[in-house]
This record gives sequence, C-alpha cells and structure tokens, in this order.
Amino acid sequence: KNQVEQSPQSLIILEGKNCTLQCNYTVSPFSNLRWYKQDTGRGPVSLTIMTFSENTKSNGRYTATLDADTKQSSLHITASQLSDSASYICVVRAYNTDKLIFGTGTRLQVFP
Amino acid sequence: DAMVIQNPRYQVTQFGKPVTLSCSQTLNHNVMYWYQQKSSQAPKLLFHYYDKDFNNEADTPDNFQSRRPNTSFCFLDIRSPGLGDAAMYLCATSRDRGGEETQYFGPGTRLLVL
Repeated sequence: KNQVEQSPQSLIILEGKNCTLQCNYTVSPFSNLRWYKQDTGRGPVSLTIMTFSENTKSNGRYTATLDADTKQSSLHITASQLSDSASYICVVRAYNTDKLIFGTGTRLQVFP
Repeated sequence: DAMVIQNPRYQVTQFGKPVTLSCSQTLNHNVMYWYQQKSSQAPKLLFHYYDKDFNNEADTPDNFQSRRPNTSFCFLDIRSPGLGDAAMYLCATSRDRGGEETQYFGPGTRLLVL
C-alpha cells in the first residue's frame, strides 16, 4: 500500500534555531516528492519538488533532501523565524498517476 | 494576486441542509481538484475535473457532488451534510495532469455542521 509517514508529529523550537523534518514513503514506482507548507487555516503552498534523480533542492532557508534508495526525504529549515510556524506536509506522486499521496504533516511551532 | 479563490472562507450549515462551496481560478488551468481535510489529517481527494471530464474517487460518498460550468469555476455540493462532514475543504488547480505539475491550493473553506 502506498503510504507517506512523517516525523515528528509536532515540533517546538526557538527562533533562530535549525530543525529537520523527516518523511518516509512506500510509494512505488516513484515519480516525485514535494514538501508543502500549510499555515493554519490556509491552503498548502509548494516549497520544493524533487524527482528520482535529484537528491537535494533548496528554496531560501528550506533545503530538502531525497534518498530514493531508502525512500526517505528530509526538510531542513535554517535560522528559523516565527513565520515558519506551520504544518509541513510531504507529498509523493507515484509514476504515471494523477493522485498525490499526502503525509499527515509535522506541526512546527517557532517561539521567540 | 489571488490565483485560487474559495468562497466562503467559513460556512455554517445545519445537519441535512444542502450547502455549496465555490472555487474560482485565474490561472486558466485545465484541472481542478476538491479535497477534504479533517483536523490533524492529510487532505483527502474527493474528485477532480480534467477540463469537463469528471473523475470521482472510489471512496467519495454520494453525498458529495461537483459542477464545473466553465474553466474558471468549480463547485462542491454537499446534498445532506452530516456531522462527520465538518472539515476544511480545499480546492486546487494544476495546468495539466501527471508529471511534475504543481497543484496550487486555495485558502480553503472551513465547514461547520450544527
């Protein structure tokens, strides 16, 4: 069964600190993996997308990594800001399908 | 500039009273999606339109219907809302299906059923 699991479920960090969120998936065959940021009460916004051949992608202070062999991805946030407080959702697309498989997200809270 | 617009942002309805949620897009995308997201859960795809072609997910209850009168607009109709239908409803669009197409999400409509 195609699944996407994220850890931790929630995370609290202090402003300015770094953090890393994890995503493990069993989706096969794999097409691509996205990280979305979802602010409370808002729709998700795409941060990064990676295909099978890519192992790292950056978007400002966000850096995503992908290990297609172990089916793991991580999202690293550098020098966190209060505005980083949100849910971060890992989304995987299987090859040759329109359907996205969503993880349940990591709820990040950044405190001053 | 807003690209995917959902109205209303908050909707309160009574048990069993039909309700319609609206989504419009300024991107001229071919594909429009409706997702249901319950608290602390991942979004769940209900159905999508590829142009005028309607694609229902196998486990979407019959209580949920959709209309797409033109490229820009798509509606979600809940014929007889139950308490379990209280959720955030997200509309998304993509230029095409498959591959590396990005889905652009609207801000969502939060539905409360009394």
